[in-house]
Amino acid sequence: AQTVTQSQPEMSVQEAETVTLSCTYDTSESDYYLFWYKQPPSRQMILVIRQEAYKQQNATENRFSVNFQKAAKSFSLKISDSQLGDAAMYFCAYRSLFQGAQKLVFGQGTRLTINP
Amino acid sequence: EAGVAQSPRYKIIEKRQSVAFWCNPISGHATLYWYQQILGQGPKLLIQFQNNGVVDDSQLPKDRFSAERLKGVDSTLKIQPAKLEDSAVYLCASSLGRNQPQHFGDGTRLSIL
Repeated sequence: AQTVTQSQPEMSVQEAETVTLSCTYDTSESDYYLFWYKQPPSRQMILVIRQEAYKQQNATENRFSVNFQKAAKSFSLKISDSQLGDAAMYFCAYRSLFQGAQKLVFGQGTRLTINP
Repeated sequence: EAGVAQSPRYKIIEKRQSVAFWCNPISGHATLYWYQQILGQGPKLLIQFQNNGVVDDSQLPKDRFSAERLKGVDSTLKIQPAKLEDSAVYLCASSLGRNQPQHFGDGTRLSIL
């Protein structure tokens, strides 16, 4: 079974600075998806960024980018120019590509605080 | 487009009572998921539907939890009888199909007294 580990329960950063959230995962599969989701107090899980394991190029979405190290099974999220609205819980998630196995396996989450 | 709708937003019951949650996925989304998120943890899949059929319910406590998806659209998740450890947020998500992004609702926060 796949597992996802986020070793940082909490992180904080000054507004406008850069922060990196860590995630490692364990799988025996060669093809899969990795995701970062943001969960504000409203509870809705919002997709931040997605990475396909077969793509070597790291995904980027505006101020959000990932550092995907497939051999090391590491998938970190970098947030540049942090804004107050970025404050939330961030979850790393894994999804298999196999038929039917579409569930997301989540890590424990990292609470990100933005200091003004 | 309208998002995934869930109700109620909050529910408080006593242990051993029953409770039901409702989810309306995004129109046209064939796949529907129910996740349980215990405080301080990431969500865990309870059950996945593809249209009317169950794809994965391996982590659903079937002695007390049940779920159905009527006509491949709306879904209800029921707990009967509830235990203290069922206190959690119950999230519903939907996707167009396999390998498509999952869109989440706002969840239902369940508190068991």
